[in-house]
Amino acid sequence: GAVVSQHPSWVICKSGTSVKIECRSLDFQATTMFWYRQFPKQSLMLMATSNEGSKATYEQGVEKDKFLINHASLTLSTLTVTSAHPEDSSFYICSAKGLAGEANEQFFGPGTRLTVL
Amino acid sequence: GQNIDQPTEMTATEGAIVQINCTYQTSGFNGLFWYQQHAGEAPTFLSYNVLDGLEEKGRFSSFLSRSKGYSYLLLKELQMKDSASYLCAVLDSNYQLIWGAGTKLIIKP
Repeated sequence: GAVVSQHPSWVICKSGTSVKIECRSLDFQATTMFWYRQFPKQSLMLMATSNEGSKATYEQGVEKDKFLINHASLTLSTLTVTSAHPEDSSFYICSAKGLAGEANEQFFGPGTRLTVL
Repeated sequence: GQNIDQPTEMTATEGAIVQINCTYQTSGFNGLFWYQQHAGEAPTFLSYNVLDGLEEKGRFSSFLSRSKGYSYLLLKELQMKDSASYLCAVLDSNYQLIWGAGTKLIIKP
Protein backbone atom coordinates (compact mmCIF):
# COMPACT_ATOMS: atom_id res chain seq x y z
CA GLY A 1 0.00 0.00 0.00
CA ALA A 2 0.86 3.71 -0.06
CA VAL A 3 2.23 3.83 -3.58
CA VAL A 4 3.03 7.04 -5.39
CA SER A 5 3.66 7.14 -9.11
CA GLN A 6 5.24 9.80 -11.27
CA HIS A 7 5.03 10.33 -14.98
CA PRO A 8 7.14 10.62 -17.01
CA SER A 9 10.18 8.88 -15.54
CA TRP A 10 12.47 10.94 -17.68
CA VAL A 11 12.10 13.69 -20.22
CA ILE A 12 14.41 15.50 -22.59
CA CYS A 13 13.23 18.80 -24.01
CA LYS A 14 14.49 21.84 -25.84
CA SER A 15 15.16 25.08 -24.05
CA GLY A 16 12.08 27.27 -23.91
CA THR A 17 9.51 24.50 -23.88
CA SER A 18 7.23 23.59 -20.98
CA VAL A 19 7.20 20.22 -19.28
CA LYS A 20 4.44 18.76 -17.13
CA ILE A 21 5.14 16.13 -14.48
CA GLU A 22 2.31 14.17 -12.86
CA CYS A 23 2.32 12.75 -9.36
CA ARG A 24 -0.37 10.29 -8.31
CA SER A 25 -1.15 8.53 -5.05
CA LEU A 26 -2.45 5.17 -6.23
CA ASP A 27 -4.01 3.63 -3.14
CA PHE A 28 -4.54 6.41 -0.64
CA GLN A 29 -5.81 9.96 -0.52
CA ALA A 30 -3.02 12.48 -0.37
CA THR A 31 -4.09 15.54 1.55
CA THR A 32 -0.67 17.09 1.04
CA MET A 33 1.82 16.67 -1.77
CA PHE A 34 5.37 17.91 -1.86
CA TRP A 35 7.63 18.67 -4.80
CA TYR A 36 11.39 18.31 -4.42
CA ARG A 37 14.35 18.89 -6.67
CA GLN A 38 17.62 17.10 -6.27
CA PHE A 39 20.85 17.97 -8.04
CA PRO A 40 23.60 15.34 -8.35
CA LYS A 41 25.24 14.42 -5.04
CA GLN A 42 23.05 16.86 -3.14
CA SER A 43 20.16 16.38 -0.79
CA LEU A 44 16.52 16.94 -1.53
CA MET A 45 15.43 20.56 -1.84
CA LEU A 46 11.80 21.25 -1.12
CA MET A 47 10.29 23.42 -3.83
CA ALA A 48 6.67 23.65 -2.76
CA THR A 49 3.94 22.13 -0.64
CA SER A 50 0.42 21.77 -1.96
CA ASN A 51 -2.80 20.88 -0.25
CA GLU A 52 -5.72 19.61 -2.26
CA GLY A 53 -7.90 22.41 -3.54
CA SER A 54 -5.70 25.26 -2.43
CA LYS A 55 -2.73 27.19 -3.81
CA ALA A 56 0.71 25.76 -3.35
CA THR A 57 3.13 27.23 -0.83
CA TYR A 58 6.49 27.84 -2.45
CA GLU A 59 9.85 27.83 -0.70
CA GLN A 60 11.98 30.91 -0.75
CA GLY A 61 13.81 31.29 -4.02
CA VAL A 62 11.44 29.12 -6.04
CA GLU A 63 9.63 31.05 -8.76
CA LYS A 64 5.94 30.23 -8.61
CA ASP A 65 5.35 31.51 -12.13
CA LYS A 66 8.01 29.20 -13.48
CA PHE A 67 7.07 26.11 -11.51
CA LEU A 68 3.30 25.83 -11.70
CA ILE A 69 1.72 23.40 -9.28
CA ASN A 70 -1.82 22.14 -9.42
CA HIS A 71 -3.33 19.82 -6.81
CA ALA A 72 -6.82 19.42 -8.14
CA SER A 73 -7.72 16.14 -6.46
CA LEU A 74 -6.72 14.00 -3.51
CA THR A 75 -4.78 11.68 -5.80
CA LEU A 76 -3.15 13.96 -8.36
CA SER A 77 -0.75 16.85 -8.35
CA THR A 78 1.08 18.26 -11.36
CA LEU A 79 4.24 20.32 -11.67
CA THR A 80 4.73 22.28 -14.87
CA VAL A 81 8.17 23.68 -15.57
CA THR A 82 7.46 26.61 -17.88
CA SER A 83 10.01 27.85 -20.40
CA ALA A 84 12.56 25.33 -19.21
CA HIS A 85 16.26 26.15 -19.43
CA PRO A 86 19.34 23.94 -19.05
CA GLU A 87 19.78 25.03 -15.42
CA ASP A 88 16.36 23.46 -14.69
CA SER A 89 17.80 20.05 -15.54
CA SER A 90 17.45 18.02 -12.36
CA PHE A 91 15.78 15.08 -10.66
CA TYR A 92 12.27 16.09 -9.61
CA ILE A 93 10.61 14.00 -6.93
CA CYS A 94 7.14 14.26 -5.51
CA SER A 95 5.93 12.86 -2.23
CA ALA A 96 2.50 12.51 -0.72
CA LYS A 97 1.17 12.49 2.78
CA GLY A 98 -2.21 11.27 3.92
CA LEU A 99 -3.60 8.77 6.36
CA ALA A 100 -1.35 5.94 5.25
CA GLY A 101 1.72 4.77 7.12
CA GLU A 102 3.35 6.40 10.11
CA ALA A 103 2.10 9.78 11.23
CA ASN A 104 3.58 12.46 8.99
CA GLU A 105 5.29 9.88 6.79
CA GLN A 106 5.83 10.99 3.23
CA PHE A 107 5.65 8.45 0.44
CA PHE A 108 7.89 9.24 -2.48
CA GLY A 109 7.30 8.82 -6.15
CA PRO A 110 10.09 7.29 -8.26
CA GLY A 111 11.20 10.67 -9.56
CA THR A 112 11.40 12.33 -12.95
CA ARG A 113 14.74 13.10 -14.52
CA LEU A 114 14.50 16.28 -16.61
CA THR A 115 17.18 17.18 -19.11
CA VAL A 116 16.84 20.51 -20.90
CA LEU A 117 19.02 20.89 -23.98
CA GLY B 1 18.76 28.72 11.35
CA GLN B 2 17.79 25.10 10.95
CA ASN B 3 20.54 22.59 10.47
CA ILE B 4 20.93 18.85 10.04
CA ASP B 5 24.44 17.38 10.15
CA GLN B 6 25.46 13.93 9.08
CA PRO B 7 28.73 12.56 7.71
CA THR B 8 29.18 12.88 3.98
CA GLU B 9 30.49 9.39 3.39
CA MET B 10 31.21 6.20 5.30
CA THR B 11 32.76 2.89 4.32
CA ALA B 12 32.05 -0.46 5.93
CA THR B 13 32.65 -4.14 5.26
CA GLU B 14 30.03 -6.68 4.22
CA GLY B 15 28.70 -8.49 7.28
CA ALA B 16 29.80 -5.79 9.69
CA ILE B 17 27.84 -3.13 11.64
CA VAL B 18 27.80 0.58 10.87
CA GLN B 19 26.32 3.52 12.75
CA ILE B 20 25.35 6.69 10.90
CA ASN B 21 24.96 9.70 13.15
CA CYS B 22 22.72 12.72 12.69
CA THR B 23 22.61 15.87 14.80
CA TYR B 24 19.99 18.52 14.36
CA GLN B 25 19.08 22.04 15.36
CA THR B 26 15.57 22.93 14.29
CA SER B 27 12.74 25.22 15.27
CA GLY B 28 10.62 22.70 17.05
CA PHE B 29 10.58 18.93 16.72
CA ASN B 30 7.82 16.61 15.62
CA GLY B 31 9.83 13.55 14.77
CA LEU B 32 12.89 12.35 12.90
CA PHE B 33 12.93 10.20 9.79
CA TRP B 34 15.58 8.07 8.18
CA TYR B 35 15.30 7.36 4.47
CA GLN B 36 17.40 5.21 2.17
CA GLN B 37 18.12 6.43 -1.34
CA HIS B 38 19.86 4.40 -4.01
CA ALA B 39 21.54 6.32 -6.81
CA GLY B 40 19.04 7.60 -9.35
CA GLU B 41 16.06 6.54 -7.29
CA ALA B 42 13.66 8.24 -4.91
CA PRO B 43 14.05 7.86 -1.13
CA THR B 44 12.36 5.00 0.68
CA PHE B 45 11.22 5.15 4.29
CA LEU B 46 13.27 3.35 6.91
CA SER B 47 12.20 4.66 10.30
CA TYR B 48 10.43 7.35 12.27
CA ASN B 49 11.32 8.31 15.87
CA VAL B 50 9.40 10.82 17.91
CA LEU B 51 10.19 9.56 21.43
CA ASP B 52 13.62 8.97 22.96
CA GLY B 53 15.03 5.51 22.66
CA LEU B 54 15.84 2.76 20.23
CA GLU B 55 13.47 1.43 17.58
CA GLU B 56 14.49 -1.86 16.01
CA LYS B 57 13.31 -3.13 12.64
CA GLY B 58 15.13 -6.22 11.51
CA ARG B 59 18.70 -5.36 10.56
CA PHE B 60 18.07 -1.64 10.95
CA SER B 61 17.65 0.25 14.23
CA SER B 62 17.21 3.95 14.86
CA PHE B 63 17.94 5.84 18.06
CA LEU B 64 16.79 9.26 19.20
CA SER B 65 17.81 11.60 22.00
CA ARG B 66 15.74 14.76 21.84
CA SER B 67 17.65 16.50 24.64
CA LYS B 68 20.88 16.07 22.69
CA GLY B 69 19.41 16.73 19.26
CA TYR B 70 20.91 13.46 18.14
CA SER B 71 19.93 10.34 16.27
CA TYR B 72 21.70 7.41 14.75
CA LEU B 73 20.83 4.71 12.27
CA LEU B 74 22.42 1.34 13.00
CA LEU B 75 22.77 -1.19 10.22
CA LYS B 76 23.73 -4.75 11.14
CA GLU B 77 24.89 -7.68 9.03
CA LEU B 78 25.66 -5.35 6.17
CA GLN B 79 24.89 -6.52 2.67
CA MET B 80 26.17 -5.14 -0.61
CA LYS B 81 22.65 -3.90 -1.43
CA ASP B 82 22.87 -1.59 1.59
CA SER B 83 25.23 0.61 -0.41
CA ALA B 84 23.17 3.79 -0.73
CA SER B 85 22.74 7.26 0.68
CA TYR B 86 20.99 7.54 4.03
CA LEU B 87 19.04 10.70 4.63
CA CYS B 88 18.16 12.09 8.04
CA ALA B 89 15.16 14.44 8.11
CA VAL B 90 13.50 16.30 10.98
CA LEU B 91 9.89 17.43 11.09
CA ASP B 92 9.92 20.93 12.55
CA SER B 93 7.26 22.88 14.45
CA ASN B 94 5.48 23.67 11.18
CA TYR B 95 5.45 19.99 10.24
CA GLN B 96 7.93 20.72 7.48
CA LEU B 97 10.65 18.19 6.76
CA ILE B 98 14.17 19.58 7.08
CA TRP B 99 16.59 17.33 5.20
CA GLY B 100 20.20 16.49 5.88
CA ALA B 101 22.57 16.24 2.93
CA GLY B 102 22.72 12.47 3.28
CA THR B 103 25.47 9.99 4.11
CA LYS B 104 26.79 7.90 1.27
CA LEU B 105 27.49 4.42 2.60
CA ILE B 106 29.95 2.29 0.66
CA ILE B 107 30.01 -1.43 1.43
CA LYS B 108 33.15 -3.37 0.56
CA PRO B 109 33.33 -7.17 0.21
